[in-house]
Amino acid sequence: NAGVTQTPKFRILKIGQSMTLQCAQDMNHNYMYWYRQDPGMGLKLIYYSVGAGITDKGEVPNGYNVSRSTTEDFPLRLELAAPSQTSVYFCASSYRTGGNGYTFGSGTRLTVV
Amino acid sequence: KNEVEQSPQNLTAQEGEFITINCSYSVGISALHWLQQHPGGGIVSLFMLSSGKKKHGRLIATINIQEKHSSLHITASHPRDSAVYICAVLTQGGSEKLVFGKGTKLTVNP
Repeated sequence: NAGVTQTPKFRILKIGQSMTLQCAQDMNHNYMYWYRQDPGMGLKLIYYSVGAGITDKGEVPNGYNVSRSTTEDFPLRLELAAPSQTSVYFCASSYRTGGNGYTFGSGTRLTVV
Repeated sequence: KNEVEQSPQNLTAQEGEFITINCSYSVGISALHWLQQHPGGGIVSLFMLSSGKKKHGRLIATINIQEKHSSLHITASHPRDSAVYICAVLTQGGSEKLVFGKGTKLTVNP
C-alpha cells in the first residue's frame, strides 16, 4: 500500500516552461488536493477534486490546471512557469473532506529560474 | 489576520521536557487537525479533533471549541520529535476546506 505517490521530488524549470506534477493514490480516496507551501507560510490550496471528472479551484489556482480522469490520479499542470511558482507542492487525499486520514505525498520542490 | 494562528513559531527544548504548542482560530470549524512535518519534508496526520482530548503515545491534543483554541502536548520529549507541527482547521459551510497555520518548528536537543 503506497499511499500517495508524487513525482518528481525535485525539478528546476526555466521561466516560460511547462510541466506536470504527478500524483497517484491507491487508497480509493474520493477527495484529492494540491497544496503549495511557501517559506514561513501555511499550506495553500491550489485545486481539489471530489471524485473522477470533478475539479474545483482552491485559494491560489492562477497559473495551474488539473484533471481527474480516474479516481487514482490527479496531475497538476503548470503552464508558462513563473518565479512566483517556486514552492514546495504537496498532493493529498482523503476518503471524505476533512475526514480523519488525510494522507500527504512526499512533496515536490520546484524552482523556477 | 490569519484565520489560524500558532504559537510559538519556534521552540527549543531539552530532551525530557514537556512541550506545549498552541493553536487559535477565528472561524467556525467542523474539526481541527494536527500534522507533523519531518525535516525531510513529509507530512503526517497526527490527530483530528472535534471536541475534548485525544492521546497517542506521548502526544496529547486538546481542543476548546468555545474558546477556539487547541493545544498539542508532547510528554518526555525526544530529539526525534524535532519537526514542524502544523495546526489545520476544517471550516464549516457548504464547501469545507482545510485552513493551515504557519507551523511551529520544534527542536529537541539531547
